[in-house]
Amino acid sequence: SELTQDPAVSVALGQTVRITCQGDSLRKYFASWYQQKPGQAPILVIYAKNNRPSGIPDRFSGSSSGNTASLTITGAQAEDEADYYCNSRDSSTNHWVFGGGTKLTVL
Amino acid sequence: QVQLVQSGAEVKKPGASVKVSCKASGYTFTSHWMHWVRQAPGQGLEWVGIINPNGGTTSYTQKFQGRIMLTRDTSTSTVYMEVRSLRFDDTAVYYCARDVSNSATAWWFDTWGQGTLVTVSS
Repeated sequence: SELTQDPAVSVALGQTVRITCQGDSLRKYFASWYQQKPGQAPILVIYAKNNRPSGIPDRFSGSSSGNTASLTITGAQAEDEADYYCNSRDSSTNHWVFGGGTKLTVL
Repeated sequence: QVQLVQSGAEVKKPGASVKVSCKASGYTFTSHWMHWVRQAPGQGLEWVGIINPNGGTTSYTQKFQGRIMLTRDTSTSTVYMEVRSLRFDDTAVYYCARDVSNSATAWWFDTWGQGTLVTVSS
């Protein structure tokens, strides 16, 4: 099954933004979230619904309800401008699948 | 610290094969499965496949069945991805990423290699 993300989202500096990811597999499996800046490898920002790796600022948080997982940035900073991807296990194939990605612009 | 270091960029002709390596360090190599993910120019992330370094079990997305093979060498803590019968649309950055899970409901890729650009050009 697929994971669907909005292609682009914008947020004013210091404001809060939510990036969503929808898919049937999210009813069964938790999503993880990755930040990717141009020319760089992705980095993990949220895993197992709402856990942050060390080094990820606490303005990043995750949540999940039904078939939707969300990544929230509370007080967005200029350095948060990046592409964000969700990932989860596919309940029909047992493989993994990424969402199409959301380009976040911080105004 | 956990680190994944991939081999350098490759340029190949259509129909050829390419083999990309990913050397792991900083942890017990056989304790974590390893994913491969690719990203075509200007496109999103695409899951390719996974290998269990402990035993060599593999699984591939249907799109690449028969053209991609993942292997590992436990003596050097290295996993390999070979892509055969290269096509122009295989041009992409290929990443290895370490798998971590805490249950039967959550998996994540906690460490990524730096990526390897594979260019298919005549």
